[in-house]
Amino acid sequence: GAGVSQSPSNKVTEKGKDVELRCDPISGHTALYWYRQSLGQGLEFLIYFQGNSAPDKSGLPSDRFSAERTGGSVSTLTIQRTQQEDSAVYLCASSPTLNNQPQHFGDGTRLSIL
Amino acid sequence: QQPVQSPQAVILREGEDAVINCSSSKALYSVHWYRQKHGEAPVFLMILLKGGEQKGHEKISASFNEKKQQSSLYLTASQLSYSGTYFCGAGYGQNFVFGPGTRLSVLP
Repeated sequence: GAGVSQSPSNKVTEKGKDVELRCDPISGHTALYWYRQSLGQGLEFLIYFQGNSAPDKSGLPSDRFSAERTGGSVSTLTIQRTQQEDSAVYLCASSPTLNNQPQHFGDGTRLSIL
Repeated sequence: QQPVQSPQAVILREGEDAVINCSSSKALYSVHWYRQKHGEAPVFLMILLKGGEQKGHEKISASFNEKKQQSSLYLTASQLSYSGTYFCGAGYGQNFVFGPGTRLSVLP
C-alpha cells in the first residue's frame, strides 16, 4: 500500500516568506507526527496529532510554526516569516495509534532558506 | 525528556558485533529502534514494551530492562548494509522522544 507522502520534496525560499509543507499519512493511521532534522543532527519533535484529540504542540520552536490536520488525515505544517535557522529536513510520520506502534516516515521536505 | 544513547559513534569491520545502549531517567513504557541511512528517512526496526522482553530481527536483536529503564540493540556479524544512524525512541505514555542517535559505520 501507499506510504507516507510529503510534498514538496524540496523547497527553496527567501528569508521572511511563509511556507507550507504537506503530509499525507498512511490511510487509517490515527497518529501523525512532525519532526525537524538539521544536517547531521537528530530528530527534533515538533507536534503530533492523535485522532480528534487536541494536538501536542509542545515541540514547536516558536509561534511562527503552526500545524493543522484536516479531517483526521492530511496535515499541513506552516512556517511564517521564515528564518535561515529554519533550514532543515522536515519529516512526517504516521502510526496506527500512539507510541506502541511503529512510526512510518515520509521522505521529508528539504527546506532551504536563502 | 530525551533518552541517552551510547556510544555516540562506532566503527566496525564487517562481521564484527556491536551494542548500542539507550537509557532514560524517566520510567519507560516502550522503546522503539530505527535506522536511518544517509539521505534517507528513518526506518523502523522493532518495538519493545515494558516487561523485559527481547526481540530479534535477522541478526539484529534488542532487549528492554524495565528496572534499569534501559534498552540495548545488538548487531551481530555486522554487514555493510548496517551502516547508518540508529535512533532509539522512548515512549512515556502519551509522549514520545527520540534519542540523539548512534552513528554506526561498517567497513569492509
